[in-house]
Amino acid sequence: DTGVSQDPRHKITKRGQNVTFRCDPISEHNRLYWYRQTLGQGPEFLTYFQNEAQLEKSRLLSDRFSAERPKGSFSTLEIQRTEQGDSAMYLCASSVPGQGNTEAFFGQGTRLTVV
Amino acid sequence: AQTVTQSQPEMSVQEAETVTLSCTYDTSENNYYLFWYKQPPSRQMILVIRQEAYKQQNATENRFSVNFQKAAKSFSLKISDSQLGDTAMYFCAFANYGQNFVFGPGTRLSVLP
Repeated sequence: DTGVSQDPRHKITKRGQNVTFRCDPISEHNRLYWYRQTLGQGPEFLTYFQNEAQLEKSRLLSDRFSAERPKGSFSTLEIQRTEQGDSAMYLCASSVPGQGNTEAFFGQGTRLTVV
Repeated sequence: AQTVTQSQPEMSVQEAETVTLSCTYDTSENNYYLFWYKQPPSRQMILVIRQEAYKQQNATENRFSVNFQKAAKSFSLKISDSQLGDTAMYFCAFANYGQNFVFGPGTRLSVLP
């Protein structure tokens, strides 16, 4: 078990370009979360999946953002037509919800810089 | 909507001393979970301690303990015998049964030698 893996670790893109991030959760973790964190702030919830089903999306997730988890394993987060305000750390986490919430295990994040 | 408040943006403590970080939350639910996460500089977030709301006994993990006051919706973290490696951002988080995690804005803790 190597933990939650995110790729790439860093991404610099020009405004208006599309970017895609990947998250590989801990195997057998059926729940996967995406969060966004700006400098000095707490993580803000974006969306989460239970297996391949996207169960909830935050109002923060504009129509330029889309997330998928096609086979219930890895997930991708795509941002279209990036804006400078999208610059942030994008965190992925996974967990195994049972009788209640167990802890969420976080990846190291993908830092996006839009120039 | 649930909210989590951490009123101390920054704190410092001398090595080997004790420090308490504050957290309050707002919810109308009865079954939920509370967490403290630690995020060291440039490193990933890890769980420090977890508390189930239905348990009256405060959770303890080695040098870390919580003071959970359900009626007051308060969930503070006490770090005893502070170590230099405790220097990090600390986030209080709330999760309803089976729902996503809501994080507070964080407290930056510096442990001074």
